Amino acid sequence: QVHLQESGPGLVKPSQTLSLTCTVSGGSISSGNYYWSWVRQPAGKGLEWIGRIYTSGSTNYNPSLKSRVTISVDTSKNQFSLKLSSVTAADTAVYYCARVSRIYSVAMDVWGQGTTVTVSS
Amino acid sequence: QSVLTQPPSVSGAPGQRVTISCTGGSSNIGADFDVHWYQHLPGTAPKLLIYGNNNRPSGVPDRFSGSKSGTSASLAITGLQAEDEADYYCQSYDSSLSGVVFGGGTKLTVL
Repeated sequence: QVHLQESGPGLVKPSQTLSLTCTVSGGSISSGNYYWSWVRQPAGKGLEWIGRIYTSGSTNYNPSLKSRVTISVDTSKNQFSLKLSSVTAADTAVYYCARVSRIYSVAMDVWGQGTTVTVSS
Repeated sequence: QSVLTQPPSVSGAPGQRVTISCTGGSSNIGADFDVHWYQHLPGTAPKLLIYGNNNRPSGVPDRFSGSKSGTSASLAITGLQAEDEADYYCQSYDSSLSGVVFGGGTKLTVL
């Protein structure tokens, strides 16, 4: 059973860079059947897609965040990561990592529990 | 403003049937991109409920079903149970944005 776990600082200062890591256990991040995404949910709001990465390293990002987002993968550690630069209070949210499955028509079939990130001085 | 439009809330009594709509446009649902549905309870990980418009992952009860027509999709839940009370999100792909899009979410209340 594949398990995803987010980790990283829960508090980030405005204008700094938010950095999160998602560790994949119970399966290989290099499997060609899957790729990997980040999604966030601000308090009281809906889900917002941040971006995705293929194990080749190719990425796609939400156009509204593209200038500030970098998603990378470390296959040796079975992890993928999110960096969001120049953060403001609007970036305060629960951040989820998720697996995208080609088997399930590229739906997100496994999710982490989420980690809360607050942007505040 | 979400690219995919869902009603903010729906409600139903135990045992009843409810539907949640998801309305998109010609660059997403209408462009024949698949629609997926997720169930989200506060403080937990979202759960994949329906994939590829009308398919259930193993373990999802057949009380949940999905459909798609034109630029819209729907999630139907029959035999409502108290445990179904949650937020539900539709998701697709948008070719104009070149990215994944979610609906704004619908809160289901079981009366």
